[in-house]
Amino acid sequence: AQTVTQSQPEMSVQEAETVTLSCTYDTSENNYYLFWYKQPPSRQMILVIRQEAYKQQNATENRFSVNFQKAAKSFSLKISDSQLGDTAMYFCAFMKHGRGGADGLTFGKGTHLIIQP
Amino acid sequence: ETGVTQTPRHLVMGMTNKKSLKCEQHLGHNAMYWYKQSAKKPLELMFVYNFKEQTENNSVPSRFSPECPNSSHLFLHLHTLQPEDSALYLCASSQDAGQGRSKGFGSGTRLTVV
Repeated sequence: AQTVTQSQPEMSVQEAETVTLSCTYDTSENNYYLFWYKQPPSRQMILVIRQEAYKQQNATENRFSVNFQKAAKSFSLKISDSQLGDTAMYFCAFMKHGRGGADGLTFGKGTHLIIQP
Repeated sequence: ETGVTQTPRHLVMGMTNKKSLKCEQHLGHNAMYWYKQSAKKPLELMFVYNFKEQTENNSVPSRFSPECPNSSHLFLHLHTLQPEDSALYLCASSQDAGQGRSKGFGSGTRLTVV
């Protein structure tokens, strides 16, 4: 079974600062996917960024980038130039590769990120 | 708008009631999922349907009964629930044979069992 650990229950930074959210995971799989999801007060889970484990290059999406360390099983999210709208719960998630339709996600407990004006 | 709609948004029910949660997706996806989000706990996968066939039941109690009449609709039928079943229930969808395809999530149904 896979586990995903987010060790920071809550973080707070000033607007325009850079913030890094940590995530570690445990798996015996070699091929898998990692995700960061954002859940604002509207409750809708929004995909922030996705990483394929077989790719060494770190994924980036505008102000969002990851530091994927496969050997260390670490997958941190960096948010640059943080904005008030980034305030939300952030969840790290894991999915095994090649399970056909049964590709459910395993989530961490989440980090509540607060961007202060 | 992610293309996944859940109703109702809020639901309060007694332990002897029977109710159903509904999820509808307009993304042309073939896989649909139910997740449970409880306070202080990670989201838990409950059920997976792929091409209307249930492919995973993650040890969910029988008082939760899913139904997937077609690839666009997913229901979660509830009966004789317990107070600890109070949670946010999220529906998601994705392309079949995932291969890491991203999922669209609904806004959830906030369920309170009294």
